[in-house]
Amino acid sequence: KAGVTQTPRYLIKTRGQQVTLSCSPISGHRSVSWYQQTPGQGLQFLFEYFSETQRNKGNFPGRFSGRQFSNSRSEMNVSTLELGDSALYLCASSLAFGQLAQTQYFGPGTRLLVL
Amino acid sequence: SQQGEEDPQALSIQEGENATMNCSYKTSINNLQWYRQNSGRGLVHLILIRSNEREKHSGRLRVTLDTSKKSSSLLITASRAADTASYFCATALSGGSNYKLTFGKGTLLTVNP
Repeated sequence: KAGVTQTPRYLIKTRGQQVTLSCSPISGHRSVSWYQQTPGQGLQFLFEYFSETQRNKGNFPGRFSGRQFSNSRSEMNVSTLELGDSALYLCASSLAFGQLAQTQYFGPGTRLLVL
Repeated sequence: SQQGEEDPQALSIQEGENATMNCSYKTSINNLQWYRQNSGRGLVHLILIRSNEREKHSGRLRVTLDTSKKSSSLLITASRAADTASYFCATALSGGSNYKLTFGKGTLLTVNP
């Protein structure tokens, strides 16, 4: 079974631009979460989606948004990029949403550099 | 703020030795998970331990959880050079979503051949 895939793997943008990152979960997985990883702040939760609905959101400004499609693929968008948005963006998928503990499977990440 | 804090921040050992990493957290959890990350790449799930469990094993990995002390430890036995990576603990809060994990800053493990 193919793992979580993220595209693109690397991206260079300039301040003020916007960017869209894509994540395809493992086949059959319906929950997708996004995380930002930086050397200073570590791994931080952005948001999670299940059945095309955002179920949880982290403490990020409104410039960060996302969505999930009917095939469970997810995209996240960052508008008006700032230098501090340079990070590794990781997507993770799980089978379902709910209280039962489920393993999250992470993709390789998209490394974004904002100049 | 970080829920989980790993200790030590960095650990260097020789191949064949055991490596122990600790994680402390602040609030009640539903479960605690350990992940490995190789050099800025994606995270690999190692083991999940639920709040009502005290110890779990997976191959050369042993995880303990002490909810009274709000701490967990990850033991890697007979380490190999390929175990060189950053190790993170992540917590899913009690009553919260299991998919909103809060990660610590990680322990960088270096296993010297």
